[in-house]
Amino acid sequence: SQQGEEDPQALSIQEGENATMNCSYKTSINNLQWYRQNSGRGLVHLILIRSNEREKHSGRLRVTLDTSKKSSSLLITASRAADTASYFCAPSSGSRLTFGEGTQLTVNP
Amino acid sequence: EAGVAQSPRYKIIEKRQSVAFWCNPISGHATLYWYQQILGQGPKLLIQFQNNGVVDDSQLPKDRFSAERLKGVDSTLKIQPAKLEDSAVYLCASSPRIAGGGETQYFGPGTRLLVL
Repeated sequence: SQQGEEDPQALSIQEGENATMNCSYKTSINNLQWYRQNSGRGLVHLILIRSNEREKHSGRLRVTLDTSKKSSSLLITASRAADTASYFCAPSSGSRLTFGEGTQLTVNP
Repeated sequence: EAGVAQSPRYKIIEKRQSVAFWCNPISGHATLYWYQQILGQGPKLLIQFQNNGVVDDSQLPKDRFSAERLKGVDSTLKIQPAKLEDSAVYLCASSPRIAGGGETQYFGPGTRLLVL
């Protein structure tokens, strides 16, 4: 399957620091999406990067995609306590999105 | 615009009982998804509808799970009979375009099921 695998499983940082999460996948993709899930809530779409794009920004988020290495990274700059959540990548090859186990980010005030 | 609505938010049942979940997607969204998310794991797709037709139900345990999307709008997911391992959050999502394009999905808040 096209499941993304996030790394690290857990990340704890101080408010104001940057947080970087990585995602690896196995086969070719059309796009890759990142989602956030706050505890007890549904997933919220953060950003979609297409296979012909290398980098994309949205506010404090920066996503990179390296199709040769089959990997993506999500950078959150100047983190806030409200960024505490699980982050999932979802590579897509035109069919279903397949989510990995996610990275649990904790931002300490 | 209103988001994806799900009910109930919480449900506690005993094993071997039946349970049903309801989802109302964002108005006009053609594709509807049901996911199962076990604690500590990512969501796993159970079934995907495009309008009122099933696109993908390969991971749906059909001996006990069923789902329908009559009239291509809202949907129900049923478990009959429930097992202990069905304890999870059941998430509904919708997307505006036809299935197969890897579109952005919009998720509801989920129904948390506990089977005792």
